Amino acid sequence: EIVMTQSPATLSLSPGERATLSCRASQSVGSNLAWYQQKPGQTPRLLIYGAFTRATGIPARFSGSGSGTEFTLTISSLQSEDFAVYYCQEYNNWPPLLTFGGGTRVEIK
Amino acid sequence: QVQLVESGGGVVQPGRSLRLSCAASGFTFSSYAMHWVRQAPGRGLEWVALISFDGRNEFYPDSMKGRFTVSRDNSKNTFYLQMNSLRSEDTAVYYCARGTGGDYFSDWGQGTLVTVSS
Repeated sequence: EIVMTQSPATLSLSPGERATLSCRASQSVGSNLAWYQQKPGQTPRLLIYGAFTRATGIPARFSGSGSGTEFTLTISSLQSEDFAVYYCQEYNNWPPLLTFGGGTRVEIK
Repeated sequence: QVQLVESGGGVVQPGRSLRLSCAASGFTFSSYAMHWVRQAPGRGLEWVALISFDGRNEFYPDSMKGRFTVSRDNSKNTFYLQMNSLRSEDTAVYYCARGTGGDYFSDWGQGTLVTVSS
């Protein structure tokens, strides 16, 4: 089983600042990596798939990078609506054994 | 637009069974794999099950094998999660999600809460 580790657990930033979230896989997942945003009391929303492709309707301030075992989600300039929990998820295995990271909470400083 | 609506959650005693449903609309249901994902209170996301577009293939993490069974009825645009021998640690919000060419989750339902408690 692939273990996904996200860091930091909590990121305290001010609106307008740049957020950099990390996700590390215990073994290579190629580019088979997705990112989700979940706001309190809401359902998760797909942000990024294929490590760097934005999902439909996702603003350009969200970008993904990385491959293999190291991945990054960057929010270039935090907006008030971006304060949320972010999860990475790998989908590299066959048969599927899909795993999520533990999440990074982005909170207002 | 894609809509996924879960139902069937509630309070159930340990050791009992429960069946969740997810009604889909807004897309060609029979062309997509579908997933269940759960989230325990205050915790992260955990993948529960995958069923292929035609219902012929099912996949589960080891922790769910033997207790959980996923199925679908493409004529009703609905798929299901049968949960047996429920434990307190199965307490969670259960989301249904639409699959993609890769196994990530493009659309999610609002979730249904399952509480396992005596």
